[in-house]
Amino acid sequence: DVKVTQSSRYLVKRTGEKVFLECVQDMDHENMFWYRQDPGLGLRLIYFSYDVKMKEKGDIPEGYSVSREKKERFSLILESASTNQTSMYLCATKSYNNEQFFGPGTRLTVL
Amino acid sequence: AQTVTQSQPEMSVQEAETVTLSCTYDTSENNYYLFWYKQPPSRQMILVIRQEAYKQQNATENRFSVNFQKAAKSFSLKISDSQLGDTAMYFCAFMPTYTGANSKLTFGKGITLSVRP
Repeated sequence: DVKVTQSSRYLVKRTGEKVFLECVQDMDHENMFWYRQDPGLGLRLIYFSYDVKMKEKGDIPEGYSVSREKKERFSLILESASTNQTSMYLCATKSYNNEQFFGPGTRLTVL
Repeated sequence: AQTVTQSQPEMSVQEAETVTLSCTYDTSENNYYLFWYKQPPSRQMILVIRQEAYKQQNATENRFSVNFQKAAKSFSLKISDSQLGDTAMYFCAFMPTYTGANSKLTFGKGITLSVRP
């Protein structure tokens, strides 16, 4: 089974802090994604990566950056957290036959 | 750009009955995939069913089936013999078929389904 893990299920940070959300997969998938999920808005793509050190902006990249130094790990970085970044963050990978596999999510609260 | 619309925010169904969740999409692409994902309360999102646009036959996975109407750009999910474990948020999603970096999912806003005992 594909396993996608995220470093924290729940995280509480203060405004202005730098926040790292980590995602690790064990299936050697090239494509990895970061989404945020908000009530009434569904899932919105923040950034994705199709290879090591490669990244592309999604639909809502402002206020975020990413890092992909190794194939299995894709990090989402909030350089200076703000209250409007309080959300559920989901990491996903995409297999060769275009199925996406999701991690359990990180519920981030920014105070 | 593609859009996916799920117009019903929530639905309720009695256990053992059948329920249909609606989804429409808009695209200029001819080749694409459509998906239904399920997100149970506090649990991981999982794939329920997928449909390739070039296939005329509707996809089926056990109690889950789709009604894919390509001309109408409609992709509904039918759940037969509903079970309590079907209670979840369901997302419809679209992805163009072309490979490469731009092949990414566009999601609808989701529908919350409650199965009543």
